[in-house]
Amino acid sequence: EPEVTQTPSHQVTQMGQEVILRCVPISNHLYFYWYRQILGQKVEFLVSFYNNEISEKSEIFDDQFSVERPDGSNFTLKIRSTKLEDSAMYFCASRGTSGFANTGELFFGEGSRLTVL
Amino acid sequence: RKEVEQDPGPFNVPEGATVAFNCTYSNSASQSFFWYRQDCRKEPKLLMSVYSSGNEDGRFTAQLNRASQYISLLIRDSKLSDSATYLCVVNVRSGGSYIPTFGRGTSLIVHP
Repeated sequence: EPEVTQTPSHQVTQMGQEVILRCVPISNHLYFYWYRQILGQKVEFLVSFYNNEISEKSEIFDDQFSVERPDGSNFTLKIRSTKLEDSAMYFCASRGTSGFANTGELFFGEGSRLTVL
Repeated sequence: RKEVEQDPGPFNVPEGATVAFNCTYSNSASQSFFWYRQDCRKEPKLLMSVYSSGNEDGRFTAQLNRASQYISLLIRDSKLSDSATYLCVVNVRSGGSYIPTFGRGTSLIVHP
């Protein structure tokens, strides 16, 4: 069964350092998302990506965040200068099209746990 | 007002019990509704989509009331393995897109 893969599974970093989280979405999917989940809290939308550009982003997704699709498979989230409050699980998700573009299941990766010290 | 609201629980029920979860959403232009399941420290996984006519999958029944902006999930004959957090997900209109937006989840604990 096709799956979304994420690396690393866990990263520990010092405050102020740059972090890149990587995702390989399902190959024929067109819509890509990053979510984060702070421990004990809800899954929060960060950004969506379609047709090689950001389609929507949340208030959380400020200037320290960026996303790229550097090749046909990888989808990355970069945090330029990490803060303590960036500690969270970051989930990548992808979605194909199922009839209408607004429907369709999200497929999640297993997540990358980021710990900022 | 939060876009997607759920009672966080926990719901603590014995095996075999029937339990119901509710979810409300604030944006009437929302399309597509889902229930996901999340086990501790794992990724969310789709449990079922929710259709206007209501739908059933084995022990699970989902219903949508667009007029009241309300979604429900009913679990019959609860199993120990049903213990998890159940996430209500609504595709909320944002600009030109629809963003899958999560409720905070309802925790279910099924005990022997």
